[in-house]
Amino acid sequence: KAGVTQTPRYLIKTRGQQVTLSCSPISGHRSVSWYQQTPGQGLQFLFEYFSETQRNKGNFPGRFSGRQFSNSRSEMNVSTLELGDSALYLCASSWGGSPLHFGNGTRLTVT
Amino acid sequence: EDQVTQSPEALRLQEGESSSLNCSYTVSGLRGLFWYRQDPGKGPEFLFTLYSAGEEKEKERLKATLTKKESFLHITAPKPEDSATYLCAVLSPQGSGGGADGLTFGKGTHLIIQP
Repeated sequence: KAGVTQTPRYLIKTRGQQVTLSCSPISGHRSVSWYQQTPGQGLQFLFEYFSETQRNKGNFPGRFSGRQFSNSRSEMNVSTLELGDSALYLCASSWGGSPLHFGNGTRLTVT
Repeated sequence: EDQVTQSPEALRLQEGESSSLNCSYTVSGLRGLFWYRQDPGKGPEFLFTLYSAGEEKEKERLKATLTKKESFLHITAPKPEDSATYLCAVLSPQGSGGGADGLTFGKGTHLIIQP
């Protein structure tokens, strides 16, 4: 069974630009969650989607948004990028109360 | 607010030198505690779920235990390939039971095993 796939693996953007990250969950998993990971803050919850609906949202500004499609694939978007947005963005999927299964992330660098 | 504190932040051991990592938590009515392993440049990989005090789980050189206030990840006779960051996360009753809802992660313990 294929794992969680995130694309792209690496991105370099400049301040003020926007970026879209993609996540394909494990087949059959309907819940997709997004996390931001930085050395100082650890894993911070961004939002979670289930059946195309945002179920939970973390404490991030409105520049961070996401969506989920009918096939459970998800995207997150960050607008007006800031230097502090540089991080590893992780997507995780789950179903039926199973533990989260993470992808290998997208490393975003904002210059 | 649920809190998860992992200690130590970093640990360097010699190959074969056993030790334990700690995960202390404050949550009322714990619904589950999870351990993950994360290698550099990769996402966290699920290791164990513990649900109640006294429960233990084992996998190769790793054993996870749970009390009412903390969990330990015991590493017996570690090898260099056990080097990684180990994360724990707790699931609170506020969660609806799925995905990341009600889940709080610690900042991890960075473990280095020297040959």
